[in-house]
Amino acid sequence: SQQGEEDPQALSIQEGENATMNCSYKTSINNLQWYRQNSGRGLVHLILIRSNEREKHSGRLRVTLDTSKKSSSLLITASRAADTASYFCATEGGSGNTGKLIFGQGTTLQVKP
Amino acid sequence: GAGVSQSPSNKVTEKGKDVELRCDPISGHTALYWYRQRLGQGLEFLIYFQGNSAPDKSGLPSDRFSAERTGESVSTLTIQRTQQEDSAVYLCASSAPRTSGSRKQYFGPGTRLTVL
Repeated sequence: SQQGEEDPQALSIQEGENATMNCSYKTSINNLQWYRQNSGRGLVHLILIRSNEREKHSGRLRVTLDTSKKSSSLLITASRAADTASYFCATEGGSGNTGKLIFGQGTTLQVKP
Repeated sequence: GAGVSQSPSNKVTEKGKDVELRCDPISGHTALYWYRQRLGQGLEFLIYFQGNSAPDKSGLPSDRFSAERTGESVSTLTIQRTQQEDSAVYLCASSAPRTSGSRKQYFGPGTRLTVL
């Protein structure tokens, strides 16, 4: 079963605008990761935030984590047409530290030039 | 070095036939994962291998699905008596040993399976 729920399911913006995607999860976690997928194939890791962190930055990406609300958000600033892709959050469980990831359903982002 | 590779990239089969999907992880990665992704959906965890430990098979949807891994290298996912609902992209990922401190997974390009 999928743990994460993401919203919106689809997002369409103009180049230069910011894009915000949200992810909610149900159980305790060790960390939460965001991945990007182009054309329905392999995923690329974007950023990881640990359960004891609240915010993290990487280039134009900003991730926040609120463990009390079991939610995370991914912000892409100054979007580019090349950012068009599907974005997935994935959680690694809090017990046993298995390394297994549970993925959300994803947000499809379209950035119009 | 090379990333995770999967073969074949596409597989079309008839209902009831068996299929084998292959994954070559990144050299030195002790953990290997299989996921299934149906059209327009998120990734569904299938199975996880970590070194010599017993695999976590908790995501396998039925006994028609099985997977093997040879040491810390190649893995094969076998689906017996395929059904149309098995049609999906099957993604493999690997990750570095836990001692490296890295938790991120590196994905292969996937195998698109179509069951007619």
